[in-house]
Amino acid sequence: AQSVTQLGSHVSVSEGALVLLRCNYSSSVPPYLFWYVQYPNQGLQLLLKYTTGATLVKGINGFEAEFKKSETSFHLTKPSAHMSDAAEYFCAVSDQGYSTLTFGKGTMLLVSP
Amino acid sequence: NAGVMQNPRHLVRRRGQEARLRCSPMKGHSHVYWYRQLPEEGLKFMVYLQKENIIDESGMPKERFSAEFPKEGPSILRIQQVVRGDSAAYFCASSPLKPGGTNYGYTFGSGTRLTVV
Repeated sequence: AQSVTQLGSHVSVSEGALVLLRCNYSSSVPPYLFWYVQYPNQGLQLLLKYTTGATLVKGINGFEAEFKKSETSFHLTKPSAHMSDAAEYFCAVSDQGYSTLTFGKGTMLLVSP
Repeated sequence: NAGVMQNPRHLVRRRGQEARLRCSPMKGHSHVYWYRQLPEEGLKFMVYLQKENIIDESGMPKERFSAEFPKEGPSILRIQQVVRGDSAAYFCASSPLKPGGTNYGYTFGSGTRLTVV
């Protein structure tokens, strides 16, 4: 069975500071990995995904994540936080060749002026 | 090209009533997934459907919940005799592709927020 652990239910940063949201996963097979963002009362929007190839993945809004197999991690980073980045972020994993996603519990990112 | 459309956005039901949640996938998408988000929890998979077929319902509660994706029309998630514990946000996602492959990915709708009073 797969699982996803997101460390920290809430992360607070100042505007302009580095954003680091942590995600560790467990999977018995090579995984596909995803980060989604959810704004209040909205659906989930895909930020980025790793399937195969380059382990550093760039996504929308300046976010990127690095797949580290040895650490079973897929942490999300952004060099400089904007106020508009305040939202909830979900990490998810799926087996290659299978359809369903297993989500972490989410991390709420708070950005202060 | 409209995204995944879910309606209603908000639904209030009294205990014991039925709730019907609708999902129209993106044009050209024939794979539909339903997820439930409980407060303080991430999304949990419920069911995966293709047109006229349930492919995987391993996440569906055994009783009171059912889902369909008919040849014509939206996918429906039906909850009979709702209880307070059914209060949650229900999200639908669609995909044009079979699972697998590097281009695989979902598009999520904005969800239906069900409140049982």
